[in-house]
Parts: sequence; C-alpha cells; structure tokens
Amino acid sequence: AQTVTQSQPEMSVQEAETVTLSCTYDTSESDYYLFWYKQPPSRQMILVIRQEAYKQQNATENRFSVNFQKAAKSFSLKISDSQLGDAAMYFCAYYNQGGKLIFGQGTELSVKP
Amino acid sequence: KAGVTQTPRYLIKTRGQQVTLSCSPISGHRSVSWYQQTPGQGLQFLFEYFSETQRNKGNFPGRFSGRQFSNSRSEMNVSTLELGDSALYLCASSLFTLSTDTQYFGPGTRLTVL
Repeated sequence: AQTVTQSQPEMSVQEAETVTLSCTYDTSESDYYLFWYKQPPSRQMILVIRQEAYKQQNATENRFSVNFQKAAKSFSLKISDSQLGDAAMYFCAYYNQGGKLIFGQGTELSVKP
Repeated sequence: KAGVTQTPRYLIKTRGQQVTLSCSPISGHRSVSWYQQTPGQGLQFLFEYFSETQRNKGNFPGRFSGRQFSNSRSEMNVSTLELGDSALYLCASSLFTLSTDTQYFGPGTRLTVL
C-alpha cells in the first residue's frame, strides 16, 4: 500500500525568507501524481502545486516550487519570499490510477513578521 | 463560477443516530470525492463518485455510504454514529479525474457526535 510521510509536524519561517517542507512516499508504481495542498485556519483546502511522476522537470507556481526526486521517492515544497498569508497546514498527497488520494500527516507552517 | 458547497456546515448528533451530509460540486464537474479529517487519523479518503456510480472506495466500514445524483450533487450518510465519527468531512469535485484535473474542495461539514 502506498504511504506518504511528512516528518516535520511544525515549521517556522521569517517573513520574506525561504522554507522547505519535506515529504517522502512509498510506492511500487511508476505512474502517479503528487500534490501539495494548503489548509489555512478556515479549513478550505487549496491546491498549491502538482507534479506528474513521468515529468522530470520540477513543477513551479510563482513562489512555490518542488524538488521531485523519483528514485529517492522524495517530494519537497519550497516556499520563497514567505508571506504572512502562507501560514497554514500543508499536506503532501499521492494519487495513482487506482483513484485514492493519500495524504501525509501535514506540516503546520507559521510565518513570523 | 460558484465553488463547492457543503451543507450543513455544523452538525451535532448523538451516538446511534444517523446523519446525511450534502455536497454540491462546481457546475460541470462530474467527480465528487469525500474525505474525513480527524486529529488522530488525519485526512482519509472515503469514496469517489463519478456519473452516479461509486468509482473508488476507501477503507471505511459499511456504516459510511454515499450516492450521487444526476446533477452530480452527492450525499454521504453515516448510520449508527460512534464517538469516533466526530470529524471534519470534506467534499471535493473535479471535472473527470485527478490525473488531468484540479480538485476543488468545499469548506467542510463539522460533525460532532456526543
């Protein structure tokens, strides 16, 4: 069974600085998709970024980028120029053609002004 | 375009009762998925419906069931409620599949079982 592990329950970053959130996953499949979701205090889940496993190029979305290491089964999220609005719970998630979205336990990010 | 809506937003029930939660997807979206979020177990996939058929199912007991209507609206039912069913229930919709589409989440229904 696939599993997703986020080893950092909490992280903190200074405003305007850069922070990296870690995620590792376990799978025997070659075709899958990885996501980072943000859940602010309002509890509304928002997609931050997605990565297709067949793509070698790391995905980027404005200040958000990933470091996808397929062989190491690692999928970290880098947030550049952190803003107060980035404070939230961040979830790493795995999806394959089997149709289940599997989440990690989450990393709570706080941003200090 | 309106987002995913869930009703009710908050519910309080007692053990043994049953509950029905509703989810209206974004217009045109045919896939609706349900998730349970608890402090202990985190976010867990319940099931997914596509064109009125259950397409995928998570590892939850049969007390948890769902259905989807022809307009893609979906309902989730939990029978014989247990204290451990207290959770935030999230609904999400996408056009067809997460392989190609973005999944949009609703604000959730907070269920408290006393």
